[in-house]
Amino acid sequence: EAGVAQSPRYKIIEKRQSVAFWCNPISGHATLYWYQQILGQGPKLLIQFQNNGVVDDSQLPKDRFSAERLKGVDSTLKIQPAKLEDSAVYLCASSLGGGPQETQYFGPGTRLLVL
Amino acid sequence: GIQVEQSPPDLILQEGANSTLRCNFSDSVNNLQWFHQNPWGQLINLFYIPSGTKQNGRLSATTVATERYSLLYISSSQTTDSGVYFCAVGYSSASKIIFGSGTRLSIRP
Repeated sequence: EAGVAQSPRYKIIEKRQSVAFWCNPISGHATLYWYQQILGQGPKLLIQFQNNGVVDDSQLPKDRFSAERLKGVDSTLKIQPAKLEDSAVYLCASSLGGGPQETQYFGPGTRLLVL
Repeated sequence: GIQVEQSPPDLILQEGANSTLRCNFSDSVNNLQWFHQNPWGQLINLFYIPSGTKQNGRLSATTVATERYSLLYISSSQTTDSGVYFCAVGYSSASKIIFGSGTRLSIRP
């Protein structure tokens, strides 16, 4: 089966610009996650969707970050305006359900550099 | 919130060696997973192991939930085992997990 797809793979922008990332989860997976991974650290959950509803967005900087999952399938994550500290890899993952035993399958990530 | 500490932060070994990676967590968990992130950044789930022991080929993991730690064993290391190994824990009825800072493993040929 196809894995989690993300695009673009790389993005370079200047601070104060806006950027958007796209994720297509594994077919049939109800739960979708966006993580931010800063160099040298483990991934940090930004937002979790169950179908098209938000389950957890407690660590999403809502003044500049937004995410949506229309129709409960694809998702986009947007940053507007970007700051230098947003330079990181943005990982999308999906799982079949939303319980604690679920295996999360990760996409290849989008590497963002903010200059 | 719950703290997840991994040790050692870095490990360099010769091909064929065995290794033990440790994950300590500060509170009770109902979800513990080990992941491998390869040098190209791809994260792969290795084990779901909130308690007990599991084995998959040269890899095995043990979690002692009452003492709040988990161990990942890699035997007969290969260069393809290089990368960063993350422990991630969860403590709610949902699937949210919190990652540790990882152990960077380098296997020399």
